[in-house]
Amino acid sequence: DIQMTQSPSSLSASVGDRVTITCRASQSISNYLNWYQQKPGKAPKLLIYAASSLQSGVPSRFSGSGSGTDFTLTIISLQPEDFATYYCQQSYSTPWTFGQGTKVEIK
Amino acid sequence: QVTLKESGPVLVKPTETLTLTCTVSGFSLSNARMSVSWIRQPPGKALEWLAHIFSNDEKSYSTSLKSRLTISKDTSRSQVVLTMTNMDPVDTATYYCARVDTALVSYYYYYYMDVWGKGTTVTVSS
Repeated sequence: DIQMTQSPSSLSASVGDRVTITCRASQSISNYLNWYQQKPGKAPKLLIYAASSLQSGVPSRFSGSGSGTDFTLTIISLQPEDFATYYCQQSYSTPWTFGQGTKVEIK
Repeated sequence: QVTLKESGPVLVKPTETLTLTCTVSGFSLSNARMSVSWIRQPPGKALEWLAHIFSNDEKSYSTSLKSRLTISKDTSRSQVVLTMTNMDPVDTATYYCARVDTALVSYYYYYYMDVWGKGTTVTVSS
């Protein structure tokens, strides 16, 4: 199975900050990488697919990059509604796998 | 409007078999672009992908849970069913089903979970 490792596990940031979350795959997955946002008590929401394609309706302050084994989710100018947990997920090969999550908290 | 709704027991006893149903609307399970995954999340923990069924009935399972899981679909009823045998308290979690869409990007096809159900919480306890 392909292991997905996110860093950091949590971070504190202020509204307006630029936030970067990293996801690393245990082997090359090309750009078969998705990002999700989850708020407490809610289902995850798709943000980014194919490493850098923004899902329809997702604000442009979210962006994704990377290929191979290293990927990044960037939020420019963090908004109050962005405080949540973020997960990466590889769709390169089954079994699909998620990272352990990164919790973005208010500083 | 695309929706998915999970249903099943709230409480199961250890060693019992769990059967969960995902009823979808707004798309067809026979659509070649569409398929369905099951994912779970224990309280306070990360998401864990469990199983997937494609429109052609091809199936895939979590390596660690493969011996306990069965996924199937009834296209006419717009339902995807997941069974998990020999339930244990560590299987206590919120179980989600999600639609998996397919996008063609630069000549390659990509899968992603674009619409999720609200989840159903299952507790395993005697």
